[in-house]
Amino acid sequence: GNSVTQMEGPVTLSEEAFLTINCTYTATGYPSLFWYVQYPGEGLQLLLKATKADDKGSNKGFEATYRKETTSFHLEKGSVQVSDSAVYFCALRRGAQKLVFGQGTRLTINP
Amino acid sequence: EPEVTQTPSHQVTQMGQEVILRCVPISNHLYFYWYRQILGQKVEFLVSFYNNEISEKSEIFDDQFSVERPDGSNFTLKIRSTKLEDSAMYFCASSGQRGDASGTDTQYFGPGTRLTVL
Repeated sequence: GNSVTQMEGPVTLSEEAFLTINCTYTATGYPSLFWYVQYPGEGLQLLLKATKADDKGSNKGFEATYRKETTSFHLEKGSVQVSDSAVYFCALRRGAQKLVFGQGTRLTINP
Repeated sequence: EPEVTQTPSHQVTQMGQEVILRCVPISNHLYFYWYRQILGQKVEFLVSFYNNEISEKSEIFDDQFSVERPDGSNFTLKIRSTKLEDSAMYFCASSGQRGDASGTDTQYFGPGTRLTVL
């Protein structure tokens, strides 16, 4: 079946550090890939998405590239801020079907 | 910007009681979903709903659960007899606009209802 695996958390970084959160997936066919973010006490917000191989999704300085050959969709940001502290979820979806989420990675940025 | 809303934000109930969680999806969306997140765990799919019927459901969505779109704007999740293990954050989501009914576009999530079963 379809599944998503994220790097284990929690991740703690200093402000302005480079961020990578790894995400790999297993799916039949060609899923769409997503990163959602959950700030403390809030719901899930779409951060970025990519719908086909080699697409790059980007938003708020975050980027992720859909790599079909490595079945990966790693999240990156060049310089993180304290306000980026949140839980990040990688997810996949095929067509109109459900989202399948990874286990989430808690990110804490220290000033 | 249109958004998905959910009420209540927090619901406390006794084991065995019925609860109804309410959602107002984005008005021109056609696909509706419920997910849940047990504290500290991943977000899990419960059910999807399209054209006034369930299109997919997970193993979690047993006979204790039901969904309804009673009036064309609300989308509800009912748990008939709550159990301790039903304690979780429940998220509603919607997608798929009229004129583009593929359902393949972004799912927008509400802020969630935290259900606590005592």
